[in-house]
Amino acid sequence: DGGITQSPKYLFRKEGQNVTLSCEQNLNHDAMYWYRQDPGQGLRLIYYSQIVNDFQKGDIAEGYSVSREKKESFPLTVTSAQKNPTAFYLCASSRDRRETQYFGPGTRLLVL
Amino acid sequence: GIQVEQSPPDLILQEGANSTLRCNFSDSVNNLQWFHQNPWGQLINLFYIPSGTKQNGRLSATTVATERYSLLYISSSQTTDSGVYFCAAQTRTGANNLFFGTGTRLTVIP
Repeated sequence: DGGITQSPKYLFRKEGQNVTLSCEQNLNHDAMYWYRQDPGQGLRLIYYSQIVNDFQKGDIAEGYSVSREKKESFPLTVTSAQKNPTAFYLCASSRDRRETQYFGPGTRLLVL
Repeated sequence: GIQVEQSPPDLILQEGANSTLRCNFSDSVNNLQWFHQNPWGQLINLFYIPSGTKQNGRLSATTVATERYSLLYISSSQTTDSGVYFCAAQTRTGANNLFFGTGTRLTVIP
């Protein structure tokens, strides 16, 4: 089946710890995105990548880092510098930046 | 970035009723999408509609780009239509990011 997978479904982070969220797609899409969703809010863009080995900051990139070593994969690291990481994280992909974005099932991150 | 406003914020319907959700945006767009977020958080694409009208079963959408708004129509609503409906818009200029509204929470009761 073609689609976007995210893992884990739930993630717990201790104070001062870095954690990495996985996002994989087999849609052969060039562009990939990470969004953050807080309760009762819309989605906000953290980072995006239009092509392998290239990525750009979105609106709320502070405290996050990404890599794009393979077309299929766009992992997001939530660093200890992100002071309020508790949120629902959604990964998306599209053929290019102006086309329809398709979303994965999300990862819920909680701070212990 | 572009401002995206959705109304109403909450909507409760009896099963079988019709509804209209509105999305206003503050700039010219080259991408306008409607999504449904189910209770488990999954975002499902409904329409890619920067202009014009599209229909898919009981759902249809119209975007009037010159007046900067889009409407999502749900006819004969079912309990499975419950969830949050998001509108997202992308401008022709600037960073070309997709900006989301805060959503309309729809509850369909039997």
